[in-house]
Parts: sequence; C-alpha cells; structure tokens
Amino acid sequence: GESVGLHLPTLSVQEGDNSIINCAYSNSASDYFIWYKQESGKGPQFIIDIRSNMDKRQGQRVTVLLNKTVKHLSLQIAATQPGDSAVYFCALNSGSARQLTFGSGTQLTVLP
Amino acid sequence: EAGVAQSPRYKIIEKRQSVAFWCNPISGHATLYWYQQILGQGPKLLIQFQNNGVVDDSQLPKDRFSAERLKGVDSTLKIQPAKLEDSAVYLCASSTRTGGSTEAFFGQGTRLTVV
Repeated sequence: GESVGLHLPTLSVQEGDNSIINCAYSNSASDYFIWYKQESGKGPQFIIDIRSNMDKRQGQRVTVLLNKTVKHLSLQIAATQPGDSAVYFCALNSGSARQLTFGSGTQLTVLP
Repeated sequence: EAGVAQSPRYKIIEKRQSVAFWCNPISGHATLYWYQQILGQGPKLLIQFQNNGVVDDSQLPKDRFSAERLKGVDSTLKIQPAKLEDSAVYLCASSTRTGGSTEAFFGQGTRLTVV
C-alpha cells in the first residue's frame, strides 16, 4: 500500500510568519498530491493539489512544492493567521480506483 | 450546497455490541468513502464506493465491518461486534471527479467510543 509520512508532528509559528509543512512519500506512481486541513471536531478540508508533472502550484496564501527526485512535498502558508491553526495532512491519489491515502498529519499552532 | 451529512455525531457502546453509522453524500457525487481516523493519526480508507459498487475495500476488517450503498446515494457502515480498538472517528466523504485529483468533501464524522 501507499506510505505517506510527515517530518514533524507539531509546528509552532508566530502570527504573520510563513509556515512550511513537509511530507515524504514512498510511491512515485501517485498522479496527484493533495493537502488537507483539519480543524478540531471537523472533517478534513481540501486546500490545494498538485499534479505529478508539476513542481510548484500557488493558491491564495498557499504554495505547494513537489520534488519527485527525493519524493518530498511541502505546503507553504504565507503570513500565517490564527485561523490557520489546524492539523495539515498530505494525501496521495493513486491506484485504479483513485484511492486517497493520507499521511499522519502536522499540528500547526499559530502563536500571537 | 449542502455538505456531507453524517449521523450520529457521537456514540458510546460496550465492546461486543453493534453500531451503525449513516452518511448522506453531496447530491450528485458518485464516489463515497468511509475513513477511520484514530486519535493522532491520519484518516485510513476503509471502503470506497463508485455509485453503488465497491471499488476498494482492501482495508475493511470484513469479519466485523460491513458497508452498503444500495441505491448509490446514502450509505451505512456497521460494526458487529465492536472491539476497544474500534474507538475512532468515522468519516464519510464524497467526490464527483473520476479523473484529476480527488477533492473529497468530508462530513464532520461520528466519534465512536467503545468501552
């Protein structure tokens, strides 16, 4: 099966600073890489995705970088806000049924 | 647009009892997923439906877990008998895409505590 890991289980940043959340994966057959955000008591929420033939994609205050050489994915959040405090998961799309496999998550805490 | 609806929100049962969870996906979404999320871990896919057919149930403990989506709309997930290690949040999600990345929409989940 797919293996997805994260470098750090927790990350604390000052409000206004940039945040970088990292993810390592093992299966290079994945065609899409996705970041989800999960707030306490809620289900995960889609943030941004990147196709495997790209190395960078930008959204509103977020950027995802994909390095297929070292099988590494990162999510950058610019000007981190208190509302960004949550658990962030990377997920992979793979398989004939386009299964969505999640990593273990990074808890982001934004400090005032 | 209404989101994914799940019920109940919370459930406490004793081990060896049975329990059922219900999910109503977003209207028109052909793909429905059930995930198990143990505290401190990422969601683990239990079963994936495409309309009313199962496309992946490789991680479903079939000796005790079952799921159905008879009319290709809402779905139920059942555990019988429950074990202590089944304590988790059970998340239902749905998506409409069959190609491209999976923007799955999740419900709030059902928090199951087995005592």
